[in-house]
Amino acid sequence: QVQLVQSGAEVKKTGSSVRVSCKASGGSFSNFALSWVRQAPGDGLEWMGGIIPILGTPKYAQKFQGRVTITADKSTSTAYMELSSLRSEDTAVYYCARDPVTILGTSIYYNGMDVWGQGTTVIVSS
Amino acid sequence: EIVLTQSPGTLSLSPGGRATLSCRASQSISDSYLAWYQQKPGQAPRLLIYGASIRATGIPDRFSGSGSETDFTLTISRLEPEDFAVYYCQRYGSSPLFGGGTKVEIK
Repeated sequence: QVQLVQSGAEVKKTGSSVRVSCKASGGSFSNFALSWVRQAPGDGLEWMGGIIPILGTPKYAQKFQGRVTITADKSTSTAYMELSSLRSEDTAVYYCARDPVTILGTSIYYNGMDVWGQGTTVIVSS
Repeated sequence: EIVLTQSPGTLSLSPGGRATLSCRASQSISDSYLAWYQQKPGQAPRLLIYGASIRATGIPDRFSGSGSETDFTLTISRLEPEDFAVYYCQRYGSSPLFGGGTKVEIK
């Protein structure tokens, strides 16, 4: 049974960057999309971006374009999310989540985010 | 840009009651790429339904999803104490998008 294990909580200064990792244990990244979703205190869920590791090209939500970088290391089954130019509004719990995909030629079929990491709290303060 | 609107914002019901949650999309969601998640305080979301109506592995049959194109519904037929939580709909796929959530609370 695949589990996603995320790195620990971070406290960062305004203007700095944070990198959160997400390691798939008990399995690999084969045939999955890996998304990053954040949740500010008391708020709902917000998709930041994702990557299909076997294809390699990330996709980002427009809101985070230019500030977020998502990468994946297939050799260690670990994905990373780096968010730069941090501001207080970035204080949130950051989740990684996998979505099993089926790739047929140029078509990609998704199935919903069925496994989630435990979440990583990032606190940004001046 | 597509928007998902969930209603009501809060649903106050008693255990054993029936919950009906709505998710309305501003544009048609193709291939029924609509999922429902449950989230309890301090926990990560849990996938309940995908493909608008397909229960995820291990999800009890009191949870059911229906709808197509722009109007979707999550129904919990008989609320158990563990069902009181926040529920999110999501358009999944290459650019996932979440609704604002519905809180199901104990009346």
